[in-house]
Amino acid sequence: GAGVSQSPSNKVTEKGKDVELRCDPISGHTALYWYRQRLGQGLEFLIYFQGNSAPDKSGLPSDRFSAERTGESVSTLTIQRTQQEDSAVYLCASSQGTQETQYFGPGTRLLVL
Amino acid sequence: AQSVAQPEDQVNVAEGNPLTVKCTYSVSGNPYLFWYVQYPNRGLQFLLKYITGDNLVKGSYGFEAEFNKSQTSFHLKKPSALVSDSALYFCAVRLRMDSSYKLIFGSGTRLLVRP
Repeated sequence: GAGVSQSPSNKVTEKGKDVELRCDPISGHTALYWYRQRLGQGLEFLIYFQGNSAPDKSGLPSDRFSAERTGESVSTLTIQRTQQEDSAVYLCASSQGTQETQYFGPGTRLLVL
Repeated sequence: AQSVAQPEDQVNVAEGNPLTVKCTYSVSGNPYLFWYVQYPNRGLQFLLKYITGDNLVKGSYGFEAEFNKSQTSFHLKKPSALVSDSALYFCAVRLRMDSSYKLIFGSGTRLLVRP
């Protein structure tokens, strides 16, 4: 079946603008994760959703970052008042359950000018 | 603090030779361990994982990894490298008791296989 999809694949924005990044998990996957990958670095955990449980937001770097998920489907990561340090690849992953392997989407490459 | 270390930024190997990409971890409990590969402009692809049982884990594309609890290592290996194996490799750990089940990643190792 289809893998995790993300849109847009690339986003260029001006400092101070808001951006929305979208993730479509694999159908049937209950857990969804957002990670950030800065240039030349590993991935940093941002936020985790599991079913109807309260999300784990412990990795969000500031209150400019927020995310929502509708049921067990699409998730949106929103960055308000973007800063240049927000430039990175934002990766979404989903898993069938919390203890299963996470499968990643292709990412959204965000550039803040 | 939980952490994963990949001590080599880059590994160079000739095609047909064995390869090793190193990973060590520091966690306070029993870990789940993973290897992912990232090709240019693409997301991470899952290679293999260690959960429990046999310390030698076999994964995709002929890769394997050995869990060594005493050395807290999970090195990735392949007996005979291919040019197409050239990519960025990430080691990751997840704690069994971590309620968020998030992955903690190393900084990545670039593997370059020369013809």
